[in-house]
Amino acid sequence: SQKIEQNSEALNIQEGKTATLTCNYTNYSPAYLQWYRQDPGRGPVFLLLIRENEKEKRKERLKVTFDTTLKQSLFHITASQPADSATYLCALDMRSNYQLIWGAGTKLIIKP
Amino acid sequence: DAGVTQSPTHLIKTRGQQVTLRCSPKSGHDTVSWYQQALGQGPQFIFQYYEEEERQRGNFPDRFSGHQFPNYSSELNVNALLLGDSALYLCASSPSVGEQYFGPGTRLTVT
Repeated sequence: SQKIEQNSEALNIQEGKTATLTCNYTNYSPAYLQWYRQDPGRGPVFLLLIRENEKEKRKERLKVTFDTTLKQSLFHITASQPADSATYLCALDMRSNYQLIWGAGTKLIIKP
Repeated sequence: DAGVTQSPTHLIKTRGQQVTLRCSPKSGHDTVSWYQQALGQGPQFIFQYYEEEERQRGNFPDRFSGHQFPNYSSELNVNALLLGDSALYLCASSPSVGEQYFGPGTRLTVT
C-alpha cells in the first residue's frame, strides 16, 4: 500500500541545536518533494521544494535532503529558535497528476 | 499584494445541509486546489481547478463539488453534510504547478 510517514510524536529540541525531521514514503515515485510549516489554526506555509534529481537544497537555516533510493527526505533547521516551533509537513509532489500527497506532520517544540 | 483569502472563517451547519466555501487566489495564480484537513492529520486533496475546469480529483464523493470563475476565484460546495465533514477546509493557489500558497482556511463544524 502507499504510505507517507512522519514522526508522529512531538520533537523537543533545545534552542540553538539542529532539529532534524524525517519523511518516509513507500510505493510512490514523486517528481518533487515539498516541505511546509503550519501553525495552529492556520494554513500551511511553503518552505522548500526539492527535485528528484537534487540531493540537497538549502535556504537560510533550512536544509532538505531527498534520497529516492531510500524513499526518504530529511528536513533540518540549524540554530533552532523558539519561533521555529510549529508542525512541519512534507508533501509528495506527484507532478504527473497535479496532486500533493501529505504526511500527517511532525510537531516541533524548541525549548528556550 | 493580498495573499489567498477564504470566507467564511468559521461555519456551523447541521447534518443534511449544504455549504459553500469561497476562495480568492493570490494575484497572478491561475490554479486553485482544495483540501480537507482533520485535526492532527495532513491535508487531504479534494480537487484542483485550472482554466475553470476540474483538472484532478482526489478520493472524495460527489457530494463535494466545485467551481472556478473567470477571475480564478473558486467555490467548494458540499451537499448532504455528514458529521465526518467537520474539518478545516483549505484553499491553495499556485502558478499552474509547484509550491502552493494557502489561505487561512474555513473551520466547518457539522452538528
